[in-house]
Amino acid sequence: DGGITQSPKYLFRKEGQNVTLSCEQNLNHDAMYWYRQDPGQGLRLIYYSQIVNDFQKGDIAEGYSVSREKKESFPLTVTSAQKNPTAFYLCASSADGYYGYTFGSGTRLTVV
Amino acid sequence: GENVEQHPSTLSVQEGDSAVIKCTYSDSASNYFPWYKQELGKRPQLIIDIRSNVGEKKDQRIAVTLNKTAKHFSLHITETQPEDSAVYFCAASKEGGSYIPTFGRGTSLIVHP
Repeated sequence: DGGITQSPKYLFRKEGQNVTLSCEQNLNHDAMYWYRQDPGQGLRLIYYSQIVNDFQKGDIAEGYSVSREKKESFPLTVTSAQKNPTAFYLCASSADGYYGYTFGSGTRLTVV
Repeated sequence: GENVEQHPSTLSVQEGDSAVIKCTYSDSASNYFPWYKQELGKRPQLIIDIRSNVGEKKDQRIAVTLNKTAKHFSLHITETQPEDSAVYFCAASKEGGSYIPTFGRGTSLIVHP
């Protein structure tokens, strides 16, 4: 799947529930990113990590949390504090900001 | 920080026509400009990129031009086909792992058969 795998493809969350989106890459990329995509909003950066055990907030980090315990993995948790989580979530990785991203196939999260 | 403006937000063309999408950026230090294509419900994929040491790059029916002085770059698609219908995103970045690319808001291209 292009070297970066997101799961699940579809996810349903109940009110007040935390959910975790998985992102795994086998490209040996140092940097990984999480974006949220809403219709007409483009790509908005949630969190990014450029090295294991380190990550930084993006533009819309409130209500989300991440971890980077392994180079290959960068899971995103959508917490109950995120009041409007319904969106398409994209994970990406890159060798360096100077090169293009490889994106995962995305997870569509819906609140039920 | 960097700011990337992308126009138009929607572009509708007839099959066989050309399509042009334009982006402007604000940070003169940016030196890498990729373009991504996202088909409906799928992930964005890198289709072409250009670095600041060249003014134009072509790959079959697509080309990208860069004007560093004016700080704008454009995607050109010739002989459009229905399968070109997608959302296209531009981005601006610069060398160095600490710099996060800034994306444009996207252009929805519709090619009518």
